[in-house]
Amino acid sequence: DADVTQTPRNRITKTGKRIMLECSQTKGHDRMYWYRQDPGLGLRLIYYSFDVKDINKGEISDGYSVSRQAQAKFSLSLESAIPNQTALYFCATSDRATGHYGYTFGSGTRLTVV
Amino acid sequence: GESVGLHLPTLSVQEGDNSIINCAYSNSASDYFIWYKQESGKGPQFIIDIRSNMDKRQGQRVTVLLNKTVKHLSLQIAATQPGDSAVYFCAEIVGFGNEKLTFGTGTRLTIIP
Repeated sequence: DADVTQTPRNRITKTGKRIMLECSQTKGHDRMYWYRQDPGLGLRLIYYSFDVKDINKGEISDGYSVSRQAQAKFSLSLESAIPNQTALYFCATSDRATGHYGYTFGSGTRLTVV
Repeated sequence: GESVGLHLPTLSVQEGDNSIINCAYSNSASDYFIWYKQESGKGPQFIIDIRSNMDKRQGQRVTVLLNKTVKHLSLQIAATQPGDSAVYFCAEIVGFGNEKLTFGTGTRLTIIP
């Protein structure tokens, strides 16, 4: 099983619909992140959480919300999806206690808003 | 503004040759850098990292060089193989307290058989 699992892998939704992307991890990491990837723009941070009671906005949080339901689960919601939210979304985890600052990424969710 | 970027969006290298992927950064306070590899349909995968107090770090077939004077980072891949074909990203952390990675836009490496 993957260390960081994202569901669904692919999703097509209509403009105005609410959609939730889910992320779960088995690494025991305390920190979790949601990134968005668009062609030519690299990965941009949407939201991040350093523990269960901590939620922080990233550089492009408008139109998104998150919930950290447990240490292992971090979900991203689009309250009213719009076409320019069509992108590849990645969840990632990290653990400061390891002294290693690299992230472990999930395989991504490809979201298309029509 | 502060940014992490790459010199070239694409790079083609003959199989067996060495590859060099470059990255420029603008924040002299950057503390830590990471190279990631992203294969088609997958999430980014950690390759190697380097702290700002180092100039060079080696891994298996990969070497990262850091030149703080000109704010330049490079990833060298020795004896490139078809499996090295991917998009490579550099990322930086400014300040170990927040540990948010800022990513560059990526270089697509294509290996020519």
